[in-house]
Amino acid sequence: AQKITQTQPGMFVQEKEAVTLDCTYDTSDQSYGLFWYKQPSSGEMIFLIYQGSYDEQNATEGRYSLNFQKARKSANLVISASQLGDSAMYFCAMREGQGGGFKTIFGAGTRLFVKA
Amino acid sequence: NAGVMQNPRHLVRRRGQEARLRCSPMKGHSHVYWYRQLPEEGLKFMVYLQKENIIDESGMPKERFSAEFPKEGPSILRIQQVVRGDSAAYFCASSPNGRNTEAFFGQGTRLTVV
Repeated sequence: AQKITQTQPGMFVQEKEAVTLDCTYDTSDQSYGLFWYKQPSSGEMIFLIYQGSYDEQNATEGRYSLNFQKARKSANLVISASQLGDSAMYFCAMREGQGGGFKTIFGAGTRLFVKA
Repeated sequence: NAGVMQNPRHLVRRRGQEARLRCSPMKGHSHVYWYRQLPEEGLKFMVYLQKENIIDESGMPKERFSAEFPKEGPSILRIQQVVRGDSAAYFCASSPNGRNTEAFFGQGTRLTVV
């Protein structure tokens, strides 16, 4: 079964507008972490934002915010005021477990295109 | 303020050769993770190591692949007798501990098997 599901293979957004990238997850753990990474065409993985499962408030980092709905098991990324440089692949990821083996599971990604 | 360093950035190997990928974690980080990314796909976990120990290798293929993180020096991912299907980007990430904090990624090594 898919642990991380990103249902949008590609998204278009107009420059300066906000965009929401969807992510749902599946876990039976009580303690887990949710991440978003950006991968531009150059290939590196850039950490954007982190949400812990016990965090009561949604995480925010500059123009990035994570809309965390625990009961629905969703962790959507919201990018406000899109910029051309935001065009990239975006990966949602989850790390679960408290013992050894903190492997992170990645979704298939959403490719975001920002239009001028 | 060096981040996670991976080398080489690009590696070309002929079928049957060995590939050795190196990862130097960020200073002070003792946890290393290796991931593989096939074209147009997300990253797939391969192995999690601490200094001198393999903690979780559940994502590693049973044959030809091995990983180590010695007391001194970088972590090494070794692929023996490479095949075309091994062509991928291999990413290393490091973290200061094994808890739920973000891991910092290297820029990856792109392996091409010809």
